[in-house]
Amino acid sequence: GAVVSQHPSWVICKSGTSVKIECRSLDFQATTMFWYRQFPKQSLMLMATSNEGSKATYEQGVEKDKFLINHASLTLSTLTVTSAHPEDSSFYICSARDVQGAIGYGYTFGSGTRLTVV
Amino acid sequence: QKEVEQNSGPLSVPEGAIASLNCTYSDRGSQSFFWYRQYSGKSPELIMFIYSNGDKEDGRFTAQLNKASQYVSLLIRDSQPSDSATYLCAVNNGNNRLAFGKGNQVVVIP
Repeated sequence: GAVVSQHPSWVICKSGTSVKIECRSLDFQATTMFWYRQFPKQSLMLMATSNEGSKATYEQGVEKDKFLINHASLTLSTLTVTSAHPEDSSFYICSARDVQGAIGYGYTFGSGTRLTVV
Repeated sequence: QKEVEQNSGPLSVPEGAIASLNCTYSDRGSQSFFWYRQYSGKSPELIMFIYSNGDKEDGRFTAQLNKASQYVSLLIRDSQPSDSATYLCAVNNGNNRLAFGKGNQVVVIP
């Protein structure tokens, strides 16, 4: 089945620094990848939709200059949290969709990245 | 109105019983529907998807879709302690993005 690899699985960084999270589709091509954020005991909130070769589409309220997304190939999308602050501490999860786009397929989730900003 | 609603509180079921979860959605144009299971500290994993009215069974899981009433449900038969998790309902409304409900926590009591 489709596998999405996400790294790192956890990261601790100092306030004001930047952190890059990678999301790779290992056995399929992903035209579209999604980045979610999940705070404790809350559901997944879509941050942005990343399309290969074009600019990401951000959800309302998500700062595009703070959360930089790059989707340079059909197998890799990156999310960079710039100038991170403690309130950015969260569980970040990527999801990739198979280029075939078949109903029910794609939407495979990475293992998530636990970001802690101190 | 939220796109996807899961209003039930935590659900406790005895081992071997049936757990029933419900989800309603607001967009009549929604095309496909998903149930994910999420263990604490882990990312969601797909349990089932459904896109036609009626029932779809996969092992101990049955998804039910009623587009006229705009709800989708998940039944877990013969519940096991390993089924204890949060179950997320997700809806694809056709614009390539999934909208998630807030989830329902299920606790299976041995």
